[in-house]
Amino acid sequence: EAGVTQSPTHLIKTRGQQVTLRCSPISGHTSVYWYQQALGLGLQFLLWYDEGEERNRGNFPPRFSGRQFPNYSSELNVNALELEDSALYLCASSYFGGADTGELFFGEGSRLTVL
Amino acid sequence: GNSVTQMEGPVTLSEEAFLTINCTYTATGYPSLFWYVQYPGEGLQLLLKATKADDKGSNKGFEATYRKETTSFHLEKGSVQVSDSAVYFCASRRGGADGLTFGKGTHLIIQP
Repeated sequence: EAGVTQSPTHLIKTRGQQVTLRCSPISGHTSVYWYQQALGLGLQFLLWYDEGEERNRGNFPPRFSGRQFPNYSSELNVNALELEDSALYLCASSYFGGADTGELFFGEGSRLTVL
Repeated sequence: GNSVTQMEGPVTLSEEAFLTINCTYTATGYPSLFWYVQYPGEGLQLLLKATKADDKGSNKGFEATYRKETTSFHLEKGSVQVSDSAVYFCASRRGGADGLTFGKGTHLIIQP
């Protein structure tokens, strides 16, 4: 069974540009979570999608956005990139997040470098 | 709100040494508790978990016991190997809109 897949694995952008990161959850999982892992800052919760709806977002500006498609895959968009957006962006999936207290399954991440 | 506090590293040990990484949590109710491991250049992998008080999670020689009275979930291993070098994250989850709440991670370095 395929795990969580993310693309691209690495990318380099310049300040002010826009980026789209993609995630495919494990088959049967309806919830997708996005986390930012910046150097030295641990894992910060970004967004949670379930059944095509944004259910919760962390303390990030509106230029961080995304969506979830009918097949439960998800995109994370970051507009007007800033240097401090350089980070590893991790996607995770699980069964419905609302009542589920089980583990999240993570992808390998997309490493974004902003120059 | 929920929070997880774990010892920050780096923690440097010699091969075959005993390992303890402390983790404590604050949460309403009774969250599930997890240890994730991140090897260099990779994503997070679940190492072990416990879903209720007094449960012991174990995997690859690592163990952690869910202690409700001390709100702790310390990670232990009796004899570490060089291949255990990684970043270890303690996390909690109580269901609802916040997914996993992570500690800041502990960088473990095992020297031969």
